[in-house]
Amino acid sequence: QKEVEQDPGPLSVPEGAIVSLNCTYSNSAFQYFMWYRQYSRKGPELLMYTYSSGNKEDGRFTAQVDKSSKYISLFIRDSQPSDSATYLCAMRGTGANNLFFGTGTRLTVIP
Amino acid sequence: DADVTQTPRNRITKTGKRIMLECSQTKGHDRMYWYRQDPGLGLRLIYYSFDVKDINKGEISDGYSVSRQAQAKFSLSLESAIPNQTALYFCATSQPESPKAFFGQGTRLTVV
Repeated sequence: QKEVEQDPGPLSVPEGAIVSLNCTYSNSAFQYFMWYRQYSRKGPELLMYTYSSGNKEDGRFTAQVDKSSKYISLFIRDSQPSDSATYLCAMRGTGANNLFFGTGTRLTVIP
Repeated sequence: DADVTQTPRNRITKTGKRIMLECSQTKGHDRMYWYRQDPGLGLRLIYYSFDVKDINKGEISDGYSVSRQAQAKFSLSLESAIPNQTALYFCATSQPESPKAFFGQGTRLTVV
């Protein structure tokens, strides 16, 4: 079983839709949960990160972590064509050194 | 200028050739990483370095070697390239107490 599982999509939605992206994981030691956004032909950029369980909001983006279910989500409200990218979840433990990435979900927002 | 710079951006090489990918950073971070990205497999860690004297193997180090020439420079070598090393390669940096990683723009390597 992979450490981190992510539905690769692709996911296609109309502009203005609410998007839900999800990852599951198996390692209960993970404490930091991150979402990276990767545009075509670019490197991943950190979008948001959360420590332990709970929610975090940043503009149109909300990250949720449910450690009891080992499940994390990223919600995008009022999606825009500029949100079209691949979204990767990533996780690591405290004091640990390495990030474990999901495979990424490719999102297209249609105008 | 980008904080994490990779060269070259694209490279086509023949099977059996030795090739080096270079990474330099201006962020002043101690930790540097090399990842490869393949469709359906996501980002996988090849090697990482916590300082100039510290080099560690990652998940898929076979067929690769690295050199940390300075705090700001971390290079990845393929001693004898093979076609299944065709992939997108990323260098990244981070600081010890932060979960954030900063990535370069990537090097697209094709081995024919």
